[in-house]
Amino acid sequence: NAGVTQTPKFQVLKTGQSMTLQCAQDMNHNSMYWYRQDPGMGLRLIYYSASEGTTDKGEVPNGYNVSRLNKREFSLRLESAAPSQTSVYFCASYGYTFGSGTRLTVV
Amino acid sequence: GQQLNQSPQSMFIQEGEDVSMNCTSSSIFNTWLWYKQDPGEGPVLLIALYKAGELTSNGRLTAQFGITRKDSFLNISASIPSDVGIYFCAGHPNSGGSNYKLTFGKGTLLTVNP
Repeated sequence: NAGVTQTPKFQVLKTGQSMTLQCAQDMNHNSMYWYRQDPGMGLRLIYYSASEGTTDKGEVPNGYNVSRLNKREFSLRLESAAPSQTSVYFCASYGYTFGSGTRLTVV
Repeated sequence: GQQLNQSPQSMFIQEGEDVSMNCTSSSIFNTWLWYKQDPGEGPVLLIALYKAGELTSNGRLTAQFGITRKDSFLNISASIPSDVGIYFCAGHPNSGGSNYKLTFGKGTLLTVNP
């Protein structure tokens, strides 16, 4: 099925560990986005990529890095995870189509 | 930065009732979107609005783009149990292009009692 695929679906990290969240879309969209969702906060933009080869900060970029590997893939990296990064992370394509999320817990 | 105030925060209704929710912005938006999120899933786009005053329907859902361009409304008619979920509004100051840095409301949690 066409859409946005995120991996992994669940992850538990210890404080200080690093990990990369993967996202891929097969709709040939130029723009891709990473959001985090916390209870009562709605969705907040972490980083976005308007097109292949470009990335830019969103509302809450601290503690994250991103890579737009090619037109299909946009990854989010936590270099040194902190408990405040416990959240549900969503990748979106063109702003309209969302993946099913990665549920991350940092202990 | 831009802010969206979405209300109500939650609603508990009986099956068959109509539902209304709205979003207001501190600045002008030229694109308004309404999403629904089911538990454990990502948001799914319900309706997109691109023109002030526009009224668009999707089945039992109707959304309107406010004429001031600072608000939008979503109505659900004759609610059914599967309408349960969180409804989000989102907006963008641009009317086109590939860069949609959306600002989201905090959501309306809808519960439908059969």
